[in-house]
Amino acid sequence: GQNIDQPTEMTATEGAIVQINCTYQTSGFNGLFWYQQHAGEAPTFLSYNVLDGLEEKGRFSSFLSRSKGYSYLLLKELQMKDSASYLCAAKHASGGSYIPTFGRGTSLIVHP
Amino acid sequence: DSGVTQTPKHLITATGQRVTLRCSPRSGDLSVYWYQQSLDQGLQFLIQYYNGEERAKGNILERFSAQQFPDLHSELNLSSLELGDSALYFCASSVDGSSYGYTFGSGTRLTVV
Repeated sequence: GQNIDQPTEMTATEGAIVQINCTYQTSGFNGLFWYQQHAGEAPTFLSYNVLDGLEEKGRFSSFLSRSKGYSYLLLKELQMKDSASYLCAAKHASGGSYIPTFGRGTSLIVHP
Repeated sequence: DSGVTQTPKHLITATGQRVTLRCSPRSGDLSVYWYQQSLDQGLQFLIQYYNGEERAKGNILERFSAQQFPDLHSELNLSSLELGDSALYFCASSVDGSSYGYTFGSGTRLTVV
């Protein structure tokens, strides 16, 4: 089976940096996504890693280590609007296709 | 607007009833994925279709079924509804079954009373 673990909740201060960790155990692993989801809304794509290393995109960076089954999302210069749930998802082979399996999400609360 | 359209946005129905949720994928996307999101379970993969054919199946109940039509829109049918089926149902689309971009619709909130 597939197993994705991430912390349930994190809090941080506006302007600070926060790192959200994700560990995964999947068969046929083919890449790691991070999505942002505000309450009651659709998940929106943040980043995708398929090779080991760091991918930077503005205030958001994502890291992957395939050998360790580990990823993190780094958010810099936190803003109040960054308060949301952050979903880690591992893409893996399933039947004749590739499917992203999501973790339960990390609820990030940014306070002034 | 993500380009993925889901209707209806809200649905309230009684136990034992049957409902149909509809999804139109983003223009050019051939794959459709259905997910169920409840408060205690997170996003659970249900089923994937690619160009009209079923490609992958997740933890989809036998009471649930789906199909993708020639115009690529998809429908998720939920029957013999139970209180526990109350959830947000999301559809996502991608260009093909293995591309890395998955775009989500705004979801259908189903409430079973």
